[in-house]
Amino acid sequence: ETGVTQSPTHLIKTRGQQVTLRCSSQSGHNTVSWYQQALGQGPQFIFQYYREEENGRGNFPPRFSGLQFPNYSSELNVNALELDDSALYLCASSSTQHRGTNTGELFFGEGSRLTVL
Amino acid sequence: DAKTTQPNSMESNEEEPVHLPCNHSTISGTDYIHWYRQLPSQGPEYVIHGLTSNVNNRMASLAIAEDRKSSTLILHRATLRDAAVYYCILRAITSGSRLTFGEGTQLTVNP
Repeated sequence: ETGVTQSPTHLIKTRGQQVTLRCSSQSGHNTVSWYQQALGQGPQFIFQYYREEENGRGNFPPRFSGLQFPNYSSELNVNALELDDSALYLCASSSTQHRGTNTGELFFGEGSRLTVL
Repeated sequence: DAKTTQPNSMESNEEEPVHLPCNHSTISGTDYIHWYRQLPSQGPEYVIHGLTSNVNNRMASLAIAEDRKSSTLILHRATLRDAAVYYCILRAITSGSRLTFGEGTQLTVNP
């Protein structure tokens, strides 16, 4: 068991709606990253959060946003949902060292499966 | 990010060794080679990583070519629970928690 928990596990939304996904990171980890995984493909990096700030972003539009809280948990928000946003959203926690390096393993949650109708 | 190339699928028999290859001809000197696997209906799981030398852990071994342009993940005795998609990923020291996943290798283990 990785200790990374995500909620909800499944949800269905309609096009144009907004969604918030939540992630509790593993104890002792200060960095959270989010990934989108479409069916049959590998996960794609959305962004990462460290010290409550976005610190690196993949090729995703601004309607994908996030937050990190003082306890290192995180939220992913997606506005104006589109059909192509249907995917498994994965959260991963890891540890960034004081010099800003992050080379250790990532621990992934089991994901939140979003269906947009 | 430098890219990796893996076979789409491989098949093995239970209790036999499995060698999963990965090519990464454009690897840079500071890229680490990471392997993750994803079992059905689960998030990816870390397997092993290395830089230049071969590495062993309780799950697997990682053999890295001398020129670092290829590597092989070795499962010494495959079990049915090892059936998963295996991803070979190059991780730059500056990339933080950004991992660039390809499509991976779907490993089937036959009983």
